[in-house]
Amino acid sequence: GEDVEQSLFLSVREGDSSVINCTYTDSSSTYLYWYKQEPGAGLQLLTYIFSNMDMKQDQRLTVLLNKKDKHLSLRIADTQTGDSAIYFCAETTTSGTYKYIFGTGTRLKVLA
Amino acid sequence: DADVTQTPRNRITKTGKRIMLECSQTKGHDRMYWYRQDPGLGLRLIYYSFDVKDINKGEISDGYSVSRQAQAKFSLSLESAIPNQTALYFCATSEGAGNQPQHFGDGTRLSIL
Repeated sequence: GEDVEQSLFLSVREGDSSVINCTYTDSSSTYLYWYKQEPGAGLQLLTYIFSNMDMKQDQRLTVLLNKKDKHLSLRIADTQTGDSAIYFCAETTTSGTYKYIFGTGTRLKVLA
Repeated sequence: DADVTQTPRNRITKTGKRIMLECSQTKGHDRMYWYRQDPGLGLRLIYYSFDVKDINKGEISDGYSVSRQAQAKFSLSLESAIPNQTALYFCATSEGAGNQPQHFGDGTRLSIL
């Protein structure tokens, strides 16, 4: 079945770039999303990319999509302590029925 | 997201009790969802509804039921709570098209003793 995988933890120093990776299995994905979850809160949509795009940039965020390898990444430039959170990737698919699948989440810790 | 409100925010209860978690939204979205979040497992879909007359099971619906009372309201019930239902529960909404992003409430932390 469809699966979305992420590494569980990432630690970076303040001011460095963070790269959070995600792999997915369903080749019929249409949109791929990145969400941020801060402590005690729900998931907040950060950005998304359509599957026919390779890259999307939005201020400090850069999303890269490698469709051949089914690999999605989120790069956060100049990482700040306020970026510490759990980051989820998610995909929607067109494989017949409704599918909106979340990854396991990557906990980003930013060290001052 | 203040547009999606979950109540209660926290609940502690005992095994065997019936629990209802409520979700209301002011976004005017047709689609609503219930997820549970467990450490290391991400979010898993319990039930979803595409409109008031539509209810669908997600990947982990056993032990849960839902009611879509109105476009703006979607409640989740645990008929007889058990400890492995201890988790963080999220309600989400989205617009009509299947590939629209979802908007989440702040969650209900449920502990079953």
